[in-house]
Amino acid sequence: GENVEQHPSTLSVQEGDSAVIKCTYSDSASNYFPWYKQELGKRPQLIIDIRSNVGEKKDQRIAVTLNKTAKHFSLHITETQPEDSAVYFCAATSANQAGTALIFGKGTTLSVSS
Amino acid sequence: SAVISQKPSRDICQRGTSLTIQCQVDSQVTMMFWYRQQPGQSLTLIATANQGSEATYESGFVIDKFPISRPNLTFSTLTVSNMSPEDSSIYLCSVVRSLGSNEQFFGPGTRLTVL
Repeated sequence: GENVEQHPSTLSVQEGDSAVIKCTYSDSASNYFPWYKQELGKRPQLIIDIRSNVGEKKDQRIAVTLNKTAKHFSLHITETQPEDSAVYFCAATSANQAGTALIFGKGTTLSVSS
Repeated sequence: SAVISQKPSRDICQRGTSLTIQCQVDSQVTMMFWYRQQPGQSLTLIATANQGSEATYESGFVIDKFPISRPNLTFSTLTVSNMSPEDSSIYLCSVVRSLGSNEQFFGPGTRLTVL
């Protein structure tokens, strides 16, 4: 089955700096890669996603890149702000019967200090 | 995104008992899933709730421990049976709204503590 590795587990940056979180996946059949942001005590919120037929996607200060050959994808946050502080999870589709179930990485705790 | 609610939002239970968690969506959705998030950990898929048929369980999860129902396209339940302290966790349902979409949205979660 699918396995998703995520690095780093913690990341501390100064306000205004960029943050990059990287994930690798094992199943070459996976074709959808979302990123979720989870604030303390809240539900995971989908912030951006990318499909396997696209190499890069951008939405304001966040972007995701995908390298299918190497089976890795990354989240890039530019001009970080204190409200970006949260746990970020990457995920990949699981090649189970449903085809859309997600397998999650272990998460990255991002701290943005002002 | 769909409006997703879960009941109860939290509960404290005694070991050996069972708890049923409900997930309600404001509109019909194609897919519903159940995840577990242990304290400080990531999300682990328990099962896919299939409408009108038995759920599809992931490795390490079995129907006797986590029976799931999905009687229609807007509602699902997860039961945590014969609970032990190791079952203390947050249980979240998630949905995919329509065919051809992969976007998955989560409910607010149910925080379960087993004493």
